[in-house]
Amino acid sequence: DTEVTQTPKHLVMGMTNKKSLKCEQHMGHRAMYWYKQKAKKPPELMFVYSYEKLSINESVPSRFSPECPNSSLLNLHLHALQPEDSALYLCASSQEGEKLFFGSGTQLSVL
Amino acid sequence: GENVEQHPSTLSVQEGDSAVIKCTYSDSASNYFPWYKQELGKGPQLIIDIRSNVGEKKDQRIAVTLNKTAKHFSLHITETQPEDSAVYFCAAPGTYKYIFGTGTRLKVLA
Repeated sequence: DTEVTQTPKHLVMGMTNKKSLKCEQHMGHRAMYWYKQKAKKPPELMFVYSYEKLSINESVPSRFSPECPNSSLLNLHLHALQPEDSALYLCASSQEGEKLFFGSGTQLSVL
Repeated sequence: GENVEQHPSTLSVQEGDSAVIKCTYSDSASNYFPWYKQELGKGPQLIIDIRSNVGEKKDQRIAVTLNKTAKHFSLHITETQPEDSAVYFCAAPGTYKYIFGTGTRLKVLA
């Protein structure tokens, strides 16, 4: 299984809502990532978890809250988002920090 | 600072022709260079990568070349097919994260 599975595929939320994005991988990878991608732009790193511990936070606003319940799962909790947070949110995993395996992403729209 | 430049931003080729995308990096310590293909509605997928101890790597119609002296690496796609149409990103390792190029939108015209 070389897949990274993300749910939901699409999400529309209001600025006062709380929602969560989920990511799962069963490749035994020890590093998991959240990226944000705006249209026609490259992915931008948000968070890195290594061995289930947060190792990198790219100065992401606190309205985004990551969580790694175990080595296969990664969540991104969303609260009080702004319209400019609308984007494709990508989860990725890697074993040695080199080959990144991306999921298909969650297309988020904040109204 | 760490930087990866990618050219061209868009590329249209006739089916069967070759396509070349070039990236230039700034960190001379970089030693691993992947290429990702992103189709519409999907996440980026690794299609080929190269390490700094190798000058060229091929996988069927795809090849990557690396010039460490000039600090650039290129993706070559031969005999292009409509399914090659996508956005391609190069990447190079930065201090603690990948630096992605700005992307190339490749259109293969039937």
